[in-house]
Amino acid sequence: DVQMTQSPASLSASVGDRVTISCQASQDITNFLSWYHQKPGKAPKLLIYGASTLATGVPSRFSGSGSKTDFTLTISSLRPEDLGTYYCQQYDHLSLTFGGGTRVEV
Amino acid sequence: QVQLRESGPGLVKPSETLSLTCSVSGGSINDYYWTWIRQPPGKGLDFIGHVHSTGTTYNPSLQSRVSISMDTSKRQFSLKLTSVTAGDTAVYFCARVIEGHITLFGSLIPRATWIDTWGQGTLVIVSS
Repeated sequence: DVQMTQSPASLSASVGDRVTISCQASQDITNFLSWYHQKPGKAPKLLIYGASTLATGVPSRFSGSGSKTDFTLTISSLRPEDLGTYYCQQYDHLSLTFGGGTRVEV
Repeated sequence: QVQLRESGPGLVKPSETLSLTCSVSGGSINDYYWTWIRQPPGKGLDFIGHVHSTGTTYNPSLQSRVSISMDTSKRQFSLKLTSVTAGDTAVYFCARVIEGHITLFGSLIPRATWIDTWGQGTLVIVSS
């Protein structure tokens, strides 16, 4: 199994701040990584796939980067609606795996 | 636009079988992977498994207890998890996974990629 490790586990930031979340894979997953945002009580929503491609309708303040084992999700200017938990997910291997999540408080 | 909806009992007794169904409305059933994901209260997301026209893949930690099947005529796919314990209490999501491809020995092989559509989730509590 590919293990995905996210950091930090939680963070608190102010509106307008630049926020960076890291995701590390236990082995090379090329760029087969996606990011999701989950608001409390809701299903997750796709933000990014292919490590850096923005999903349809996702605001441009979100961006993704990285390859092989180290990946980053950046929110360039945090907005109140960005609160919630962010998850990375690898799809290089048959059994999909998620990171443990990063909780963002605004 | 595709919509997914989970249905099934919200309470299951320990040692019994958890059974859920996901109904798919709108969009195509073919050329996608269909997956179950669960989220224990206050915790992260866990992949349970997915079903595709080429077969199924399960989380190794659940493989001995889980079965996922597809009924394309009814536009539904189902989850069965046997011998449940309190540790199986979670919100269960059904979701659609985009089909990607890799090239292997000159042949195009389908593979699961990212999840583009989620159901709303259903809470299943395991308790006597």
